[in-house]
Order: sequence, then C-alpha cells, then structure tokens
Amino acid sequence: DAGITQSPRHKVTETGTPVTLRCHQTENHRYMYWYRQDPGHGLRLIHYSYGVKDTDKGEVSDGYSVSRSKTEDFLLTLESATSSQTSVYFCAISEGSGELFFGEGSRLTVL
Amino acid sequence: KQEVTQIPAALSVPEGENLVLNCSFTDSAIYNLQWFRQDPGKGLTSLLLIQSSQREQTSGRLNASLDKSSGRSTLYIAASQPGDSATYLCAGLYTGGFKTIFGAGTRLFVKA
Repeated sequence: DAGITQSPRHKVTETGTPVTLRCHQTENHRYMYWYRQDPGHGLRLIHYSYGVKDTDKGEVSDGYSVSRSKTEDFLLTLESATSSQTSVYFCAISEGSGELFFGEGSRLTVL
Repeated sequence: KQEVTQIPAALSVPEGENLVLNCSFTDSAIYNLQWFRQDPGKGLTSLLLIQSSQREQTSGRLNASLDKSSGRSTLYIAASQPGDSATYLCAGLYTGGFKTIFGAGTRLFVKA
C-alpha cells in the first residue's frame, strides 16, 4: 500500500470554526490532491499540488485553501466551516504515470 | 464536457460467476484509465491502470480493457468470490491537465 496518512480520521466541529486536515506521504510523489466524496456527487477535486508551494484549484475549491511547504505534506484548510462541507475528504498522490493512490479518508461533520 | 459513466449502479451475482463491469467516457483524449475498489468506510484501492497506448491490463482474476475509439473500458472479474463485494469505480485522466474524472461506481454484491 502507498504510504499515505490522513489526520484526523474523524472530526466533529461547529459552523464557523477553522479546520485543517493533513495528508502525509512517504512515497516522495510530486503530485498531491484533495478530493471530497459525497453521495450523489461522487469524487470531486478540491485542490491539487504539483510541487512544493505549487498549488491550484479544482472544481469545488470555494471555501477551501491548501498549503504545501514540504514534499511529504499537503494541508487542507476550511477557514470557516459550513454544514455543506460535511463530507469525507480523501488525499491522493501520483507520479508520472498518473496512477492515483488514495489515503483512508477523513470524515468531517460540521454541526 | 468530459464525463465517465458506469452502468449498472448495482449488481448482485452468485459466487463463482464471471462478470463484467462497464465504464464509458465521452472524450477520447484520455491519458489513462484507472479502476479502483472501495470498501465501505475505506479509501480507494487501485486495481489496474491502463495507459492510453495499451489495450488491456491483467492482475490475478482481474482483467481491464480500454477501447478509446468507442469510449469504453471493461473490468472482467473471473470466478467471483464474496470478498469481491465492494464498490468499483473507474476514472479517466485526461491530457492537458490534472483532471481525473470519476464514475459514480458499480456496487457489487457476490452471494455465497
């Protein structure tokens, strides 16, 4: 299995609070991604990174920001969480072939 | 618009049956096609990756094919087992960016 660790795995928070999810990889892959998975919408890309300090928006980036200060870490921040951001968040990594490897997911509930 | 479609949404088969899961995509400018397995509450596990220059890939009881001209990929599972019960997703990575489009998945149930 690809060495991808997401933390926290479960989090319950209140509307308006900031939340940061962390993705850590030990594969030294260049590309890292944050997806969210929701019933009826499938997997949707939030943000991705193609190198240290190089990030770009995906299709559902509003309300989210990311940072990548080291190859191995990719952080997803919800500046002010809303109930619509209740979801399961997945981190993924890839290299030249484009083959994606996923973490185990972080389940976020915003009350 | 690039879309990936999987039909059927759910499938129930008896143990031992050979089965085919279907995936169709709308744009032939596909860089690769990847099949995943997802168990409830878990992440996605990569099963097979087919590059655009390839026609098929095999791993154990699994065989995936890719036909860019018809916009179709199939995942063949031989001699299905109850442990194969899961949701299977296909995803197409398109050239020109980092855009991977996922299908909604086929939920497979193999009855013992």
